[in-house]
Amino acid sequence: NAGVTQTPKFRVLKTGQSMTLLCAQDMNHEYMYWYRQDPGMGLRLIHYSVGEGTTAKGEVPDGYNVSRLKKQNFLLGLESAAPSQTSVYFCASSYPGIHYSNQPQHFGDGTRLSIL
Amino acid sequence: KNEVEQSPQNLTAQEGEFITINCSYSVGISALHWLQQHPGGGIVSLFMLSSGKKKHGRLIATINIQEKHSSLHITASHPRDSAVYICAAHGGGADGLTFGKGTHLIIQP
Repeated sequence: NAGVTQTPKFRVLKTGQSMTLLCAQDMNHEYMYWYRQDPGMGLRLIHYSVGEGTTAKGEVPDGYNVSRLKKQNFLLGLESAAPSQTSVYFCASSYPGIHYSNQPQHFGDGTRLSIL
Repeated sequence: KNEVEQSPQNLTAQEGEFITINCSYSVGISALHWLQQHPGGGIVSLFMLSSGKKKHGRLIATINIQEKHSSLHITASHPRDSAVYICAAHGGGADGLTFGKGTHLIIQP
């Protein structure tokens, strides 16, 4: 099993360009998350999804959109990239567990995105 | 919003030393996660605990719910333990994690 796979691994964009980051998981997890990691700051939650067809805003959602059309995929879109969105993006997934008990989150390897 | 604080931010130690990393949080949680991030960037879950103590090999994690505090210990540290260790608070259910800024650990041979 691949676990959580993120594509692409690296990308350089110009300000104003758009792109989509793909996260795919093969563990049949219900919950999926997008985080960003910036120097000197902890990872921060952008958006998350509790199941196919559902999405919700996290701590820093502005400038991003997401979609979860299939259970295994969670897409993060930047409609008009800005230099402030230069970051490393991590996708994670988890399973709600019996009676929605706590379960660990499984992380992808990250996407390093630079906006010029 | 939960505030998660870690200390120290940076730690350099000699091989074999006993290492302690501390984590405190401001709001009651469902679980506390300890994660490891290696220089290559990947993040691996080490522990998830809601009470007491867990041990895996040379790593031990403890949590005191009343004091809102957790510690990660590494016994007989080794250079391969060099990494960033991150604690994260989980409010419960589908909530995302709230992360500390991480502790950058270097173990010198």
